[in-house]
Amino acid sequence: GDSVTQMEGPVTLSEEAFLTINCTYTATGYPSLFWYVQYPGEGLQLLLKATKADDKGSNKGFEATYRKETTSFHLEKGSVQVSDSAVYFCALSDPPGGYNKLIFGAGTRLAVHP
Amino acid sequence: DTEVTQTPKHLVMGMTNKKSLKCEQHMGHRAMYWYKQKAKKPPELMFVYSYEKLSINESVPSRFSPECPNSSLLNLHLHALQPEDSALYLCASSQTGTGASAFFGQGTRLTVV
Repeated sequence: GDSVTQMEGPVTLSEEAFLTINCTYTATGYPSLFWYVQYPGEGLQLLLKATKADDKGSNKGFEATYRKETTSFHLEKGSVQVSDSAVYFCALSDPPGGYNKLIFGAGTRLAVHP
Repeated sequence: DTEVTQTPKHLVMGMTNKKSLKCEQHMGHRAMYWYKQKAKKPPELMFVYSYEKLSINESVPSRFSPECPNSSLLNLHLHALQPEDSALYLCASSQTGTGASAFFGQGTRLTVV
């Protein structure tokens, strides 16, 4: 079945450091890929997405590129802030039925220190 | 407006109680979802409604009963829950069709005592 694998956390960085969170996937079809962020005590917020190979999703300084050849969708940010501290989930949807069932990775906790 | 509203935000219930979780969206989305999230784990899909019809039930115990009264509302009826059912329950909605983004509510934090 379809699955998503994320790098284990926690990831601890100093403010203004470069961030990479690795995400790889396994899918039988041609999935759409997503990054969601969850701040403490809150629901999930869509951060960015890509729906086809070589697409780059971007939002709030975060970027990720859909790499079909390596089945990857790594999240990057050039300069993190303390406010970026949260849990980040990579997810895919491979919908045969017209709806979008999301399969999530385990999540990566990011802690940014001043 | 990309808001999905869930009520209540917190719920404590006994194992013999009956309660309901509510979810509302006004984005015109025709797919709605219930996810369950345990502490430090990713969300797990429970149910999918598409055009107000139940499309997916991920082998969820019958003590959880979903309902979609109309295209904007989604309920989750709870009865005879167990302490291990304590979790964050997340509602989401999306357009139908490939690649549509799902938007999540803030969740209901459920504690079963």
